[in-house]
Amino acid sequence: RKEVEQDPGPFNVPEGATVAFNCTYSNSASQSFFWYRQDCRKEPKLLMSVYSSGNEDGRFTAQLNRASQYISLLIRDSKLSDSATYLCVVSFYGQNFVFGPGTRLSVLP
Amino acid sequence: NAGVTQTPKFQVLKTGQSMTLQCAQDMNHNSMYWYRQDPGMGLRLIYYSASEGTTDKGEVPNGYNVSRLNKREFSLRLESAAPSQTSVYFCASSGRGLDRSMVLSNQPQHFGDGTRLSIL
Repeated sequence: RKEVEQDPGPFNVPEGATVAFNCTYSNSASQSFFWYRQDCRKEPKLLMSVYSSGNEDGRFTAQLNRASQYISLLIRDSKLSDSATYLCVVSFYGQNFVFGPGTRLSVLP
Repeated sequence: NAGVTQTPKFQVLKTGQSMTLQCAQDMNHNSMYWYRQDPGMGLRLIYYSASEGTTDKGEVPNGYNVSRLNKREFSLRLESAAPSQTSVYFCASSGRGLDRSMVLSNQPQHFGDGTRLSIL
């Protein structure tokens, strides 16, 4: 089993749609969780950290379920500019970051 | 605030040539990383440096060497370039701090904008 797994995608959604991405991780000791977005041939950019209490940043909501070792990202009112690959990342203090394979999102006009 | 700066942005080499990719960060981060990303693929860790003076192999270290010159700078060297090393190379850095639960944790990584390397 891979350390971090994500929905295989791609997701093709119309503008204005709500889309949810799922991520599971295998190391129960993981303590830091992040969502990054990566545009084609560009560097990954931090979208948001994920906290146990859940957190929201505008149209983006992230949830963490430690018992199920599951992380989610919800995007509401999708924009064309949201088209990118979304990467789930987990880490444990003193260890490296483990990246999921990414889920590609295309928001269509 | 520049963040993570990589040079060069583009480079074309011939097989067998050597070169060094430079990376510098101005965020006072302890840890630095080198990744490669092939077309349509995920990031793969080449080498990392948890702190100044230390370096360790990642997933794909063969054909590369690194130097953590000081806290700010972490360079990646290809001694004898091969076509299989054609890729986009990303440098990243991260710090440590207390999370919301006041537990020491890794802070998120910050990436440079990459070096696109082609080896003919």
